[in-house]
Amino acid sequence: RKEVEQDPGPFNVPEGATVAFNCTYSNSASQSFFWYRQDCRKEPKLLMSVYSSGNEDGRFTAQLNRASQYISLLIRDSKLSDSATYLCVVIPQGDFNKFYFGSGTKLNVKP
Amino acid sequence: GAVVSQHPSRVICKSGTSVKIECRSLDFQATTMFWYRQFPKKSLMLMATSNEGSKATYEQGVEKDKFLINHASLTLSTLTVTSAHPEDSSFYICSARDFTSGRAHEQFFGPGTRLTVL
Repeated sequence: RKEVEQDPGPFNVPEGATVAFNCTYSNSASQSFFWYRQDCRKEPKLLMSVYSSGNEDGRFTAQLNRASQYISLLIRDSKLSDSATYLCVVIPQGDFNKFYFGSGTKLNVKP
Repeated sequence: GAVVSQHPSRVICKSGTSVKIECRSLDFQATTMFWYRQFPKKSLMLMATSNEGSKATYEQGVEKDKFLINHASLTLSTLTVTSAHPEDSSFYICSARDFTSGRAHEQFFGPGTRLTVL
């Protein structure tokens, strides 16, 4: 079983729509979680950390469900510039040198 | 701050040749750097952890004699793909953590090197 799994998509949504992605992880002892954004043929860039209580950054909301072992990313009022692949990252307990990446969910925001 | 560069950004080579990729932390010192490989539509897979002044730690299934890593200074790690073959064609990305910033948990990624082996 993969450490981290994501629906590859693509999610095709119109501008202004709200879209949500989930990411499941297999190691219940995982301690830290992030969402990264990767544009085509570019390096990943940190979008936001995921905190236990859930957190929001502008139009983006991240949530963690430890019981069901998944994290989610909600994007409100989608912009064309949000089109990218969103990678979830899971870090096992005590080891920030181990980043486990999901394969990414592709989002296409259309005018 | 926390900028990581890679060189070259793209390389095309013949099968059997060796290719060296450089990863530099430009505005911070990185005792530890990471090398990832990403195949099309796949996730980034950690290949090895590069430690300044000591041997790299390779992930299971990654051949250390095939992918030579040298981390000779606090700002430079190199990955050499020896005797490259077409199946080594991939996107190679390095990253580093900046322990002097308030974001020590974050990995900062280089722009990647796209390797094509003919």
